[in-house]
Amino acid sequence: AQSVTQLGSHVSVSEGALVLLRCNYSSSVPPYLFWYVQYPNQGLQLLLKYTSAATLVKGINGFEAEFKKSETSFHLTKPSAHMSDAAEYFCAVSGGKLIFGQGTELSVKP
Amino acid sequence: SAVISQKPSRDICQRGTSLTIQCQVDSQVTMMFWYRQQPGQSLTLIATANQGSEATYESGFVIDKFPISRPNLTFSTLTVSNMSPEDSSIYLCSVGTGIPNEQFFGPGTRLTVL
Repeated sequence: AQSVTQLGSHVSVSEGALVLLRCNYSSSVPPYLFWYVQYPNQGLQLLLKYTSAATLVKGINGFEAEFKKSETSFHLTKPSAHMSDAAEYFCAVSGGKLIFGQGTELSVKP
Repeated sequence: SAVISQKPSRDICQRGTSLTIQCQVDSQVTMMFWYRQQPGQSLTLIATANQGSEATYESGFVIDKFPISRPNLTFSTLTVSNMSPEDSSIYLCSVGTGIPNEQFFGPGTRLTVL
């Protein structure tokens, strides 16, 4: 069975600072991994995905994530936070259907 | 990517009533899904909407409470029946993209039950 754990339900950074949102997965098969973003009062938007090609995955809006099998992690990073990055971020793993983590709310302080 | 719309975008309903949510996609898709997002929570899959056959429900969700229709490859409806305040949630439809398990989501329907 697959599962996802997002460490930290809320992360706060200053504008221009590094964004690091943590995701650890559990999967009995090689996983497909996704990061989605949900802006206030909107649906989910796909940020990036890992599908067993390159371990460093680049997504939209300057985000990227690195798949580390040895650590069973797929952390999301962005070098410099922008106010518009404030949103809820969900990590998801699939092995037949999508399993979502609990989400991390990112706040960006001016 | 597919453009997905949902109607209504939000609604406030009285307990004991039912609400039907529509999901429209601008292209034909094989896989359509319905999710529930309770306040402050993550997403939970309700069911897979199958074209031409009955929906496949996840554990904890039943057809009598959440009947689903999928008349063609671009449209699906989810009905929330005999609503109670516990049904207050965001309901989202999604579609498969062809890449294994990758999904695009609609904007969601925000339901409040009084």
